[in-house]
Amino acid sequence: AQSVTQPDIHITVSEGASLELRCNYSYGATPYLFWYVQSPGQGLQLLLKYFSGDTLVQGIKGFEAEFKRSQSSFNLRKPSVHWSDAAEYFCAVGGTSNTGKLIFGQGTTLQVKP
Amino acid sequence: DGGITQSPKYLFRKEGQNVTLSCEQNLNHDAMYWYRQDPGQGLRLIYYSQIVNDFQKGDIAEGYSVSREKKESFPLTVTSAQKNPTAFYLCASSMWRAGSEEKLFFGSGTQLSVL
Repeated sequence: AQSVTQPDIHITVSEGASLELRCNYSYGATPYLFWYVQSPGQGLQLLLKYFSGDTLVQGIKGFEAEFKRSQSSFNLRKPSVHWSDAAEYFCAVGGTSNTGKLIFGQGTTLQVKP
Repeated sequence: DGGITQSPKYLFRKEGQNVTLSCEQNLNHDAMYWYRQDPGQGLRLIYYSQIVNDFQKGDIAEGYSVSREKKESFPLTVTSAQKNPTAFYLCASSMWRAGSEEKLFFGSGTQLSVL
């Protein structure tokens, strides 16, 4: 079955600390992978995506993610978190035949301590 | 500016009532989608449409209906058959090409609550 798992429902980090949000997926075909961010009561904004090529992808707001096929993972990282990064983060997977019909993880809520 | 507009921001439904959520885009996107978001469950696909006058059921279509009479518009009706309609509803759009790298653009959502 196709699925996305974000093992951490809630993460708290101090401002300036590094961040890693985990994402594991199960997908039968070649996956397209995405990370989205959502502020409260708002829609989702794309942070970055992996389709092919370099397995380390850079996104907006200083985020990056690394695709590891052997581990079926696509973890999101940021070297130094800012208070404005507090939000909910969603990992999603799509297929080569339908990139819009995404399967989303449950989301990870990030809290940033001053 | 191009984007996706969802209205209303907040909507209340009475028992046995059908309500319609609006979604309009001016991005000239072919495909449009409706997702439902419940706390702790991420987003689940309700319906999607790749072209005008055609749409497909997603994972949780029961109790919902859609239409796609215009490229720009993809309204979602929450019918009285949907017994647990309280959720945050997100509309999205994308260009539609198989194997393409097009991303989803999301609206700002509609919070539906039951009175």
